[in-house]
Order: sequence, then structure tokens, then C-alpha cells
Amino acid sequence: DTEVTQTPKHLVMGMTNKKSLKCEQHMGHRAMYWYKQKAKKPPELMFVYSYEKLSINESVPSRFSPECPNSSLLNLHLHALQPEDSALYLCASSQDQLFRSNQPQHFGDGTRLSIL
Amino acid sequence: AQTVTQSQPEMSVQEAETVTLSCTYDTSESDYYLFWYKQPPSRQMILVIRQEAYKQQNATENRFSVNFQKAAKSFSLKISDSQLGDAAMYFCAYRSGPLVGNEKLTFGTGTRLTIIP
Repeated sequence: DTEVTQTPKHLVMGMTNKKSLKCEQHMGHRAMYWYKQKAKKPPELMFVYSYEKLSINESVPSRFSPECPNSSLLNLHLHALQPEDSALYLCASSQDQLFRSNQPQHFGDGTRLSIL
Repeated sequence: AQTVTQSQPEMSVQEAETVTLSCTYDTSESDYYLFWYKQPPSRQMILVIRQEAYKQQNATENRFSVNFQKAAKSFSLKISDSQLGDAAMYFCAYRSGPLVGNEKLTFGTGTRLTIIP
């Protein structure tokens, strides 16, 4: 069982659809992340929400937009995706960074996204 | 920018034997953290072990241990008494020091470990 919950586990959508991926954690973590992982590749960071501040990987296209309704939720809104966006999308969270800490990121099971 | 290199795309080991996965990294920072994650076919990324750069003592977690050589920028993972459940993709990861804004993990390309019964 994972402490970071992602829904849905699988998603198939057309290029004109709008959908959202959801991520939730109840560990009191103050940083949450979205990663994209292609097959046989390492995860690539897309977004970081840390202390209500969003950091963006500049290479992420605008058809992906994160939303952080509260400190335990992080959504990823999808619109007009392309076939190359098909991948595993991983959410993670981690503890406060204000103190010397080696607190790792805790990952969810991911959402397998397929774009038709 | 930091880089992480895993030079072994695939490794295999007999069940109950010991295997070592290699990882090297490049950084100009003195304060950072290193991690090994495993990703089985179930796809969840699971933390295996962590190491703070300021600690000289190598981290150990049950059958998993690291050989951290800071001067050589090397961070290898040793798995003792390999079990079938250890089969997975293993990623080495680097994170800068504890300041807010340094949360990014830089991953290596991974090593796929196969356990031979």
C-alpha cells in the first residue's frame, strides 16, 4: 500500500479531451511533485509545489497544468494532449525542507495515460 | 547541473547471491543527498536506501548497503542474499542540500536487475 494515492490508475483519452489526474497524501508533507516517465526511462520532473509555490520545468508544454487545491492534494489538468504524451505519470510528496533532512520523496503507484 | 550515471543497463544474479549496482554522479556541491529507488513491474517507486553526503558512514538497511565514496563521487548499492522480490529497475538519484527550492531529484538511467532462481 502506498501513502500517496493517485487516481485513476489507467486513463485512455482522445487528443481533444480534457481530463484530470489526482494525487493525494495525508502525511503532512509540504512539497508535492508530478513526474512523467516513459517506458524504460527514469522519471522526469514536471512540476513542484513547495510551500504553496509552484516551480515548473520549462520544457513542459502548457497543455499540462497543475493545481494545488490544498496542501494534501495536487491535480494535473490535461487538455489537447498529443500521442507522445502517453506515459506513466507519477506523483510524489516529501517532508519539510526547512531543516536539515534527508527526507525522501514518497511516490504513488502512477497513472498510466494513453492518448489515442 | 548535476548528472547521475548508471553504467549497467542490466544485471542478473543468482538467488541468495550478492550483487552490486554502480552509480556515479557529478556535482560541484558539498551538501547533498543520494538515494536508491526500486521500481518493480507494479511501477511504484520504492525507496531502498538513502545517504547524506556529510555522513562518512555508509548507510545500511537490512540486506541493502551502499559504498559511498564522496571524493570519487561514487554511490554503489550492494544487495546481499538476493531474493526473487528484488527483481526490479533500480534508480540512483541525487538531490541538492536541504534548502527550500532544492527538492528536485535527478535520476540515473536505471539498472534492470534480474534474479535467477
